[in-house]
Amino acid sequence: EIVLTQSPATLSLSPGERATLSCRASQSVSSYLAWYQQKPGQAPRLLIYDASNRATGIPARFSGSGSGTDFTLTISSLEPEDFAVYYCQQRSNWVFTFGPGTKVDIK
Amino acid sequence: EVQLVESGGGLVQPGRSLRLSCAASGFTFDDYAMHWVRQAPGKGLEWVSGISWNSGSIGYADSVKGRFTISRDNAKNSLYLQMNSLRAEDTALYYCAKTRSKRVDAFDIWGQGTMVTVSS
Repeated sequence: EIVLTQSPATLSLSPGERATLSCRASQSVSSYLAWYQQKPGQAPRLLIYDASNRATGIPARFSGSGSGTDFTLTISSLEPEDFAVYYCQQRSNWVFTFGPGTKVDIK
Repeated sequence: EVQLVESGGGLVQPGRSLRLSCAASGFTFDDYAMHWVRQAPGKGLEWVSGISWNSGSIGYADSVKGRFTISRDNAKNSLYLQMNSLRAEDTALYYCAKTRSKRVDAFDIWGQGTMVTVSS
């Protein structure tokens, strides 16, 4: 089973700052990595698929990069609505795993 | 409007069974693979099971393999999860999710979830 590790566990930043979130896979997942945002009491929302493609309706301040085992989600300038938990997810044939999440909170 | 609505959750004793349903609307259901994802209270996301558009491919997390069965009825635009031999650690909010495409892909639409509590 492919294990995903996310760092840091918590990121404390101010609105307007740049956020850089990391996701590392225990073995290569090619570019089959997605990023989701989840706010309290809400279902997750797809942000990025296939490592670097923004999902429909996702603002340009969200970007993804990486391939193989190391991936990054960057939020170029944090808006108040961006403070949430972010999960990475890999897919390998018919087995999917999520990372433990990174919480982005207000400093 | 694209929508997924889960139902069937509730309080159940350990060792008993429960069947979850997910009603889909607003899109061509049999064009997409579908999945179940769960989230224990205060915890992260855990993929549970997925099924291809024609039920030809199915996957399960190791934690539920042999106990849970996923299925779909394309004529009824519905996804199901039969959960047997339930354990306390199966307590979670269960989400139904749609993939972006017919192939193995990310999950672009999620329901609001149905809560399953396993307790005596």
